[in-house]
Amino acid sequence: DADVTQTPRNRITKTGKRIMLECSQTKGHDRMYWYRQDPGLGLRLIYYSFDVKDINKGEISDGYSVSRQAQAKFSLSLESAIPNQTALYFCATSDPGRANTGELFFGEGSRLTVL
Amino acid sequence: SQKIEQNSEALNIQEGKTATLTCNYTNYSPAYLQWYRQDPGRGPVFLLLIRENEKEKRKERLKVTFDTTLKQSLFHITASQPADSATYLCAIVWGQNFVFGPGTRLSVLP
Repeated sequence: DADVTQTPRNRITKTGKRIMLECSQTKGHDRMYWYRQDPGLGLRLIYYSFDVKDINKGEISDGYSVSRQAQAKFSLSLESAIPNQTALYFCATSDPGRANTGELFFGEGSRLTVL
Repeated sequence: SQKIEQNSEALNIQEGKTATLTCNYTNYSPAYLQWYRQDPGRGPVFLLLIRENEKEKRKERLKVTFDTTLKQSLFHITASQPADSATYLCAIVWGQNFVFGPGTRLSVLP
């Protein structure tokens, strides 16, 4: 089983709908991240959380919200989806014990299409 | 403004040759830089980390250099194989977060 699991893997929705992408991890890491990936733009940080009570905005948080339900779970919500939120979304974790040197562990991605 | 660039969107090389990928950054002073591999439809996978006080790091057929004066990292794959075909991302560890370049798609032709 994957250490970082994202659901759903693919989703097609319509403009204005509310969407939730879920992420769960079995690595025991405190730090979790949501990124979006667009062709030519690379990975851009949406939100990150360093523990259950800590939520921080990233580079492109407008139009998104998150919830850290437990150490192992971090959800991303689009309250009212719009077409330019069509992208590949990745959840990732890192080990705080290796703060600035530890690598990110990514999930397999959630491909979202907003029509 | 702060920016991370990777030399080209796509790079084609012949099997057996050395692939060299470039990562340039502006207006950052990172203490660490990482390289990741991403296969189509998959999440990125960590390959190597290099610190600002390290000039070079090696792992099997991979070699990374880090020049803080030029603000550049080079990523080399020696004796390249078709299985090395993937997108390679550089990432700067900046404060508590990771900032990624757009990636270079490498194709190793048999």
